[in-house]
Amino acid sequence: GNSVTQMEGPVTLSEEAFLTINCTYTATGYPSLFWYVQYPGEGLQLLLKATKADDKGSNKGFEATYRKETTSFHLEKGSVQVSDSAVYFCALSGAFWDNNDMRFGAGTRLTVKP
Amino acid sequence: DTGVSQDPRHKITKRGQNVTFRCDPISEHNRLYWYRQTLGQGPEFLTYFQNEAQLEKSRLLSDRFSAERPKGSFSTLEIQRTEQGDSAMYLCASSLGRTDANYGYTFGSGTRLTVV
Repeated sequence: GNSVTQMEGPVTLSEEAFLTINCTYTATGYPSLFWYVQYPGEGLQLLLKATKADDKGSNKGFEATYRKETTSFHLEKGSVQVSDSAVYFCALSGAFWDNNDMRFGAGTRLTVKP
Repeated sequence: DTGVSQDPRHKITKRGQNVTFRCDPISEHNRLYWYRQTLGQGPEFLTYFQNEAQLEKSRLLSDRFSAERPKGSFSTLEIQRTEQGDSAMYLCASSLGRTDANYGYTFGSGTRLTVV
């Protein structure tokens, strides 16, 4: 079945450091891929998405590229801020002919120190 | 539109009691999803509705759990005879339809359940 594996945390960085959080997936067909962010005490917010191979999703300085050849969707940011401290979830949604319920990774906690 | 609303935000209950949570999706969204999230884990799919029809239920949804969406608008999730293992954050999400679902869901802030 469809699944997502993401880099275990926690990740601790200094402000302005470069961020990479790895995510790989297993799916039949052509899933859509997502990164969600969860701040303390809140629900999940969609950060960015990519719906087909080679698409790049971007938002708020974060980027991720849908790599079908490596089944990956790694999250990157060139210069993190303290306000980026949160838990990040990689997720996939199955092809439109599938049930397409969203499947999530276990999450990676990011802490950015000033 | 105020987004997806969940009520209550927090619920503490004694083991064996019944609890009910409510979710109000974005008004034009016809798909509604329930997820459960335990500490340190990603959300796990429980069930989803298209309009008032419950189309899929996870094996995680034991017979103590029931969900309804009577008029295709708000939804309720009831847990009967709660157990300590039911302690978790219960998340609701909605989307416009199957195609829109491929563009991401909108999540509510969740209901945190603590069973003591």
